[in-house]
Amino acid sequence: DAGVIQSPRHEVTEMGQEVTLRCKPISGHNSLFWYRQTMMRGLELLIYFNNNVPIDDSGMPEDRFSAKMPNASFSTLKIQPSEPRDSAVYFCASSFGGAETQYFGPGTRLLVL
Amino acid sequence: AQKVTQAQTEISVVEKEDVTLDCVYETRDTTYYLFWYKQPPSGELVFLIRRNSFDEQNEISGRYSWNFQKSTSSFNFTITASQVVDSAVYFCALASGSGGSNYKLTFGKGTLLTVNP
Repeated sequence: DAGVIQSPRHEVTEMGQEVTLRCKPISGHNSLFWYRQTMMRGLELLIYFNNNVPIDDSGMPEDRFSAKMPNASFSTLKIQPSEPRDSAVYFCASSFGGAETQYFGPGTRLLVL
Repeated sequence: AQKVTQAQTEISVVEKEDVTLDCVYETRDTTYYLFWYKQPPSGELVFLIRRNSFDEQNEISGRYSWNFQKSTSSFNFTITASQVVDSAVYFCALASGSGGSNYKLTFGKGTLLTVNP
């Protein structure tokens, strides 16, 4: 079975541009998570969806970040406008339920110049 | 509040040595879950093991073994006869919380393991 799929794998953009990261969770999983990994802050949970509904977005840095899950097989994380401090690796993860094992995608390496 | 401490920032060993990665956790919840993930140089996060707080049995999987001790709030990971392919950053993580909030993974800062040939 396919694991969590993320695209793009790498993204280089200029400050002020809109960035959209995409995620396809493992089929059958009903929980989806977006994480950000930086050297300074480690792995941080940005937002958690259960059955396509956002349950916890307390980790979303600010209004420039938004996430959607229009159906069970697709989610997006959007940054508009992007800033250099948004440079990080963004991971999507999915699980069968909130407390179950989270399986991570390969990540998207974002560089904002 | 939940906290995971991986005191070893970096460990370097020679191939075939045994190595133990330490993990100490803090939580006030009686039900919680502990995890280990591996992040190789390629960058993905690979799930290794999940343990719930009611199961203190140690586990062995090939060259990997885990020692869970509630008395010391530790969940240590040992690699026996290490190999170069074991070189990676290893993260310990904790999921706990009441009222349906036990989805939140609190990660340690990770231990960089380098296995030299």
